[in-house]
Amino acid sequence: AQTVTQSQPEMSVQEAETVTLSCTYDTSESNYYLFWYKQPPSRQMILVIRQEAYKQQNATENRFSVNFQKAAKSFSLKISDSQLGDTAMYFCAFISGNTPLVFGKGTRLSVIA
Amino acid sequence: DGGITQSPKYLFRKEGQNVTLSCEQNLNHDAMYWYRQDPGQGLRLIYYSQIVNDFQKGDIAEGYSVSREKKESFPLTVTSAQKNPTAFYLCATEGRGDQGYYEQYFGPGTRLTVT
Repeated sequence: AQTVTQSQPEMSVQEAETVTLSCTYDTSESNYYLFWYKQPPSRQMILVIRQEAYKQQNATENRFSVNFQKAAKSFSLKISDSQLGDTAMYFCAFISGNTPLVFGKGTRLSVIA
Repeated sequence: DGGITQSPKYLFRKEGQNVTLSCEQNLNHDAMYWYRQDPGQGLRLIYYSQIVNDFQKGDIAEGYSVSREKKESFPLTVTSAQKNPTAFYLCATEGRGDQGYYEQYFGPGTRLTVT
């Protein structure tokens, strides 16, 4: 069974600084997708970024980028120029084949002014 | 206006009562999902349905039931057999995003409190 581990329950960062959230996963599949979701205090789940396992190039979306290390099964999220609106829970998630998404337990990020 | 609707946003019930949470979508997506969220637990899958009239148990299906009679609707019933039903419940659908890849879309959630 696939598992997703987020080892940082809570993190904080100063506004305008850079922060990296960690995620590791375990799978025997070779083709899969990885995601980072953001859940602000409103509790609405928002897709931040997606990475296809067959792509070597790391995905980027504006201030958000990932460091995908397939051999190490690592998928970290880097947030640059942190903003107060980035304060949220962040979930790493994995999917392959026809199986549903598997989520990590989340990292609570606080951006401090 | 396309999207996923969950109602109500807050729901209160007495212990021993069954309660049904609504999830409706007009995105024309085949697959629908129910997740439960507890503090420190992330999202855990309760049930999912990939097509009308068919559904599968997730990791924590005990004490819950679902139906999928219409593509647009996937209601979740929390039965009295669920030992700890107080939680935040999220419904999701799965479909192709702007770039053509499959992704999950989430509703706004329902906070259920059972006393």
